[in-house]
Amino acid sequence: DTEVTQTPKHLVMGMTNKKSLKCEQHMGHRAMYWYKQKAKKPPELMFVYSYEKLSINESVPSRFSPECPNSSLLNLHLHALQPEDSALYLCASSQIGQDYEQYFGPGTRLTVT
Amino acid sequence: SQQGEEDPQALSIQEGENATMNCSYKTSINNLQWYRQNSGRGLVHLILIRSNEREKHSGRLRVTLDTSKKSSSLLITASRAADTASYFCATDKRGGGSYQLTFGKGTKLSVIP
Repeated sequence: DTEVTQTPKHLVMGMTNKKSLKCEQHMGHRAMYWYKQKAKKPPELMFVYSYEKLSINESVPSRFSPECPNSSLLNLHLHALQPEDSALYLCASSQIGQDYEQYFGPGTRLTVT
Repeated sequence: SQQGEEDPQALSIQEGENATMNCSYKTSINNLQWYRQNSGRGLVHLILIRSNEREKHSGRLRVTLDTSKKSSSLLITASRAADTASYFCATDKRGGGSYQLTFGKGTKLSVIP
């Protein structure tokens, strides 16, 4: 199984809502990532988890809160978002170490109204 | 800031022709990877070339890496309509925890049947 799944596929939320994005992989990867991608732009790294511990936070606002409950799951909790946070949110996973590719999920299309 | 810069930003070719995309980067790398993204979907890993390699092939893909010029090229031979997608190079920064990718701006390839 080389699949990374993400739910939901689409999400519309108001600025006062709290929602969560979910990501799951069963490839035994111990590194998991959240990326944000705006239209016609490349993915931008938000967070990296390695061995279920947050190892990289690319100065992301606190209204985005990641969580890695176990080695297969990665969540992104959203609260008090702004319209400019509307984007495609991509989850990825990989083995840990040098020279490994990342496997991406299909993404969650988030619209903040 | 983005590590990689792809050239051209957009490329339109006829089916059966070859497509060449270039990528330049700024700092030392462990490896350089190419990913494909169909419209609004997740990224798919195509090929990884290590910093001590100069050329690599995978099916209809040929990648070159010139570390002295800090540049790479991706050649897709005998293109098909299904190759229509955005292509991103991504660099893995040397000494940067080994699993932090930075994506270039991408080349949007259109293959006309």
